[in-house]
Amino acid sequence: GIQVEQSPPDLILQEGANSTLRCNFSDSVNNLQWFHQNPWGQLINLFYIPSGTKQNGRLSATTVATERYSLLYISSSQTTDSGVYFCAVERNYNQGGKLIFGQGTELSVKP
Amino acid sequence: NAGVMQNPRHLVRRRGQEARLRCSPMKGHSHVYWYRQLPEEGLKFMVYLQKENIIDESGMPKERFSAEFPKEGPSILRIQQVVRGDSAAYFCASSRDFEAFFGQGTRLTVV
Repeated sequence: GIQVEQSPPDLILQEGANSTLRCNFSDSVNNLQWFHQNPWGQLINLFYIPSGTKQNGRLSATTVATERYSLLYISSSQTTDSGVYFCAVERNYNQGGKLIFGQGTELSVKP
Repeated sequence: NAGVMQNPRHLVRRRGQEARLRCSPMKGHSHVYWYRQLPEEGLKFMVYLQKENIIDESGMPKERFSAEFPKEGPSILRIQQVVRGDSAAYFCASSRDFEAFFGQGTRLTVV
């Protein structure tokens, strides 16, 4: 099956710093999403981005489908950005919900 | 517009008891997915359902686990004769237009 690898596994930042999180996947995909799991365990949708570039405030994401990777950029990080960031992909058209998750990047933003 | 609703948020069961987890999808969504998250791991797909039909249960353990999504009411994930290894966070998602949205999860603890 398809493999999803995220890097780095852990990241510690000072408040205000920028960061780039990477997601590599081993085969072509029809769906790619980024999620933030906050310290309370809630999964928050960040981007639905099977290809191209999107921006939402301090966050932006780029997926290069032909090269099988996606990047999540966090600028001017805040303590509330702490948590685990997951990349998830779907290989076939299953209405978007049969996702394969990476192991996540655990981000800690220090004040 | 309410999101995906799961209940209970926390569930404690003794070994050998049954656990019932409920999920109501977002309004207008007819596809429901269940995932399990073990400690320090990413989410793993379990089952995909539409109303009254199981579409894909390739991630479900062969014994003790079952799921349904009746014509009326929420989707139910049922775990019979729970064991300590079933302790995990169970998430439900629903999707529309290929983007999945997750509930807040049910944290099952087996004592």
